[in-house]
Amino acid sequence: EVQLVESGGGLVQPGGSLRLSCAASGFSFTSYWMHWVRQAPGKGLVWVSHINDDGSRTDYADSVKGRFTISRDNAKNTLYLQMNSLRAEDTALYFCARGLSQGSYWGQGILVTVSS
Amino acid sequence: QSVLTQPPSASGTPGQRVTISCSGSTSNIGPNPVNWYQQLPGTAPKLLIYSNNQRPSGVPDRFSGSKSGTSASLAISGLQSEDEADYYCATWDDRLNVWVFGGGTKVTVL
Repeated sequence: EVQLVESGGGLVQPGGSLRLSCAASGFSFTSYWMHWVRQAPGKGLVWVSHINDDGSRTDYADSVKGRFTISRDNAKNTLYLQMNSLRAEDTALYFCARGLSQGSYWGQGILVTVSS
Repeated sequence: QSVLTQPPSASGTPGQRVTISCSGSTSNIGPNPVNWYQQLPGTAPKLLIYSNNQRPSGVPDRFSGSKSGTSASLAISGLQSEDEADYYCATWDDRLNVWVFGGGTKVTVL
């Protein structure tokens, strides 16, 4: 059974940092691009970043470029999102996703709240 | 303001056909395949349609997708109460080098 389990969220002050993790199981992790997509409370889906299968290519939304870093550890079947210089507008439910096209599968999400 | 434009809402009675549009441009929908996702209340999004018109296994054939030029559409035929959800389109944007989503359409079954 495919599973994606996010962790590492919580309440952080503006300017602070958090590292999200996404533990993958039930499939060949090294075969897939992985994504982070977020959803602010009551709002729509917004793509944040993706990383290719071996970690050699990454892309970011302009809103997080220079502040967030996506990475993966294929030996641990885990995806990461290092979030620095957090702002109130980064408050959202963050989903980890296995691909966005054929075979796409999403985790249940982890809440990040940026507030003083 | 989303790069892909969807109507905020759509509705129909049980059994009716509902269509949701997704309008883009020559840098996103024009050259790239479109995916659709269904997000039931309080749950994670689920892939509904990929590559414009392909259904993953397990998705009922009541759901169909199409694309023409810089626009795409999702149709739900034989609308059922369990289809009440938010629906999102998405594709890659060649100019921005990012994935772009539509703003989402809330489907209500009257």
